[in-house]
Amino acid sequence: GQQVMQIPQYQHVQEGEDFTTYCNSSTTLSNIQWYKQRPGGHPVFLIQLVKSGEVKKQKRLTFQFGEAKKNSSLHITATQTTDVGTYFCAETPVNKFYFGSGTKLNVKP
Amino acid sequence: NAGVTQTPKFQVLKTGQSMTLQCAQDMNHNSMYWYRQDPGMGLRLIYYSASEGTTDKGEVPNGYNVSRLNKREFSLRLESAAPSQTSVYFCASNLNRGAYEQYFGPGTRLTVT
Repeated sequence: GQQVMQIPQYQHVQEGEDFTTYCNSSTTLSNIQWYKQRPGGHPVFLIQLVKSGEVKKQKRLTFQFGEAKKNSSLHITATQTTDVGTYFCAETPVNKFYFGSGTKLNVKP
Repeated sequence: NAGVTQTPKFQVLKTGQSMTLQCAQDMNHNSMYWYRQDPGMGLRLIYYSASEGTTDKGEVPNGYNVSRLNKREFSLRLESAAPSQTSVYFCASNLNRGAYEQYFGPGTRLTVT
């Protein structure tokens, strides 16, 4: 069943505000991948986190993996309208992928 | 490279009808996956094929069958469609199992009436 819980379900922000989505698990995660899905589109890979406490940055996006490997977060600084979409985390134990339910981000210009 | 392709893009079925969703990838990936996406539910794994010649059940396999035809192609079959199978279906592939990023196809929007 569902391995990861993702919050919030929705987030509405004004352009220029920051945004954070969280991915939590009751068990230790093997690794975490993050994907973005634009409205009407398909998921697109953003990044993979493997190590405890890992922090990775992609321009305005910052990804973190918790020290206990039970949670992860994606933070967007100064959102733009191009950030609109749904952000998913996914745990990837061995062969399978377990996706969170996603956080839908709406950015008001 | 076309990446991951899926056919058809849209399909409407009546309850009890059968159909096969086709998926192909041209990236020489070993692993392929079928997901369904329902509103508010994220992506749920139906079946996967870790390598050519193998297939395994995911989270929600009931009502579906799959065939890994060769390294490139992985099809999903609905033998007797039910309204509960109305969903968007995505095929994905990656180099080798869970440690690698997945590449998704454009999806098939299926409605069962």
